[in-house]
Amino acid sequence: DADVTQTPRNRITKTGKRIMLECSQTKGHDRMYWYRQDPGLGLRLIYYSFDVKDINKGEISDGYSVSRQAQAKFSLSLESAIPNQTALYFCATSDSGRLAGPLDTQYFGPGTRLTVL
Amino acid sequence: GQQLNQSPQSMFIQEGEDVSMNCTSSSIFNTWLWYKQDPGEGPVLLIALYKAGELTSNGRLTAQFGITRKDSFLNISASIPSDVGIYFCAGQLIGGYQKVTFGIGTKLQVIP
Repeated sequence: DADVTQTPRNRITKTGKRIMLECSQTKGHDRMYWYRQDPGLGLRLIYYSFDVKDINKGEISDGYSVSRQAQAKFSLSLESAIPNQTALYFCATSDSGRLAGPLDTQYFGPGTRLTVL
Repeated sequence: GQQLNQSPQSMFIQEGEDVSMNCTSSSIFNTWLWYKQDPGEGPVLLIALYKAGELTSNGRLTAQFGITRKDSFLNISASIPSDVGIYFCAGQLIGGYQKVTFGIGTKLQVIP
């Protein structure tokens, strides 16, 4: 089973609709991230969370909100979707050093392809 | 802010050939990471480098952390068709926010 899962994998919606993308992880990591990927622009950070009570804006947070429901779950919401939010969205996780393993190396989910018409 | 220049942006190679790609930064990093992304999937970590000068291999892949801490390269030897994908470099500063900066990727296509 995948360590980082995202649902849905694909979504088509209309302008103005509220959308929630969900991410779950079984890696036991305390840190979680949301990125969007656009052709030619690489990965850009939307929000990140260092633990359940610590949520921070990334470089492109406008139009998005997040919720860290538990250590293993981090959801991304688009309150009122617009066409330029059409993109591939990735969740990632990392460990701050509490576990044995690479410090803060990010591991990605499979992505959600979102299309806003 | 920090920027990563990744090159080449795309390349076509013949199966069996060796491949080299690199990333350079305007400032230093503590960690360099190399990821591969297959179509429709998320980036998968290939190699992580934690020390300047470090040379690390993962099968046919070899990556190095530049001495200046501002660059890294990835080599793939004896390419095979499943090497096709987009390869991303990422630089990371450890301490505080630990922001990761990603390159825009090198799209690799292997001709059988």
